[in-house]
Amino acid sequence: KQEVTQIPAALSVPEGENLVLNCSFTDSAIYNLQWFRQDPGKGLTSLLLIQSSQREQTSGRLNASLDKSSGRSTLYIAASQPGDSATYLCAVRGNTPLVFGKGTRLSVIA
Amino acid sequence: GAVVSQHPSRVICKSGTSVKIECRSLDFQATTMFWYRQFPKQSLMLMATSNEGSKATYEQGVEKDKFLINHASLTLSTLTVTSAHPEDSSFYICSAKQGGGTEAFFGQGTRLTVV
Repeated sequence: KQEVTQIPAALSVPEGENLVLNCSFTDSAIYNLQWFRQDPGKGLTSLLLIQSSQREQTSGRLNASLDKSSGRSTLYIAASQPGDSATYLCAVRGNTPLVFGKGTRLSVIA
Repeated sequence: GAVVSQHPSRVICKSGTSVKIECRSLDFQATTMFWYRQFPKQSLMLMATSNEGSKATYEQGVEKDKFLINHASLTLSTLTVTSAHPEDSSFYICSAKQGGGTEAFFGQGTRLTVV
């Protein structure tokens, strides 16, 4: 059974700092991995989708990497801003629909 | 991009009543829709998968008679929480996927509070 773990559970950083969020999964037989952002009480916004054949994806200040063999992914956020404050969720898709981690709650302090 | 609209965004209901949540794909045909539930500080957990025109497939531990899912068209799926109890209070979110597509698109979620 696929399990997804995200570390840290919460993170508080000053504005402008670069940061890394970590995601690990137990079953490396995945089709893709996706990073989402969730604002309090709101739905999910897809940030980056990495196919199993890819090593990384970039969108603006965000860069996500995937090491399928070791079951790890990282989300790198450059030059963080207060507007980046949210919960970031990692989810993997294998033979079953998406399995989510519990998320990392990020606070960027101005 | 693909848009999924979920309604209502918030609902408060009395214990014992039923609540219906709608999930619509606005600009694509969703052959498959997924319903998730998220308790505070927990990850989203898949409740069921529905394919248009077929009965939904429920995950282990999810009562199919309590959480009724209908996916009668390619753009609409509904989740009805029957005889709701306070422990059903949660955040419910749907996602929709086109046939053959690899990415699912999420609705805004519904915060259900049962009093």
